[in-house]
Amino acid sequence: DAGVTQSPTHLIKTRGQQVTLRCSPKSGHDTVSWYQQALGQGPQFIFQYYEEEERQRGNFPDRFSGHQFPNYSSELNVNALLLGDSALYLCASSDAGVRGAFFGQGTRLTVV
Amino acid sequence: AQSVTQPDIHITVSEGASLELRCNYSYGATPYLFWYVQSPGQGLQLLLKYFSGDTLVQGIKGFEAEFKRSQSSFNLRKPSVHWSDAAEYFCAVGPNAGGTSYGKLTFGQGTILTVHP
Repeated sequence: DAGVTQSPTHLIKTRGQQVTLRCSPKSGHDTVSWYQQALGQGPQFIFQYYEEEERQRGNFPDRFSGHQFPNYSSELNVNALLLGDSALYLCASSDAGVRGAFFGQGTRLTVV
Repeated sequence: AQSVTQPDIHITVSEGASLELRCNYSYGATPYLFWYVQSPGQGLQLLLKYFSGDTLVQGIKGFEAEFKRSQSSFNLRKPSVHWSDAAEYFCAVGPNAGGTSYGKLTFGQGTILTVHP
């Protein structure tokens, strides 16, 4: 079992650009959540996808959007990047029978 | 709104010494509680979790945590720390929604653990 996989591992973008991050959940998991972890902080919930729909959303602007595919994989899109979007972006998967989310290794996004 | 407080930003212990990391939460009902560990530049690994029942829960790597409802606390403990335990530890709270773990996790700021030989 490969666990939760995220790609790419590192990314450098210029302010104003758009970025797409990808996540494949742990086998058998149907729910994907995305978190942003700024340096020195705990992870902050962005949103959660289930059955290809956004089920819950944290306090993030509309520049942050996502998608879930029929195979449960997910994408996080961020438009009009700001310097403050530089962070580790974590994907977590779970399902109805799982108590606790399993996290991927994250994508380190640097905006310059 | 739910919140988690980890009062200690940085803790230093000697190898072989005991460890206790503090976590206090604010939540309107009985929450699900978690401890995660994160090594530098890595994702989060689940150490243990509490949902109901026995308030003392055992996790991986010899860690345990005790849920104290009266104190709104969920402190993490280990009787003898190993150098490989050096990492950042996060306490998290999630909604106890009908037996599932749907819904967001709210994390504390984290506690960095340094282990001296």
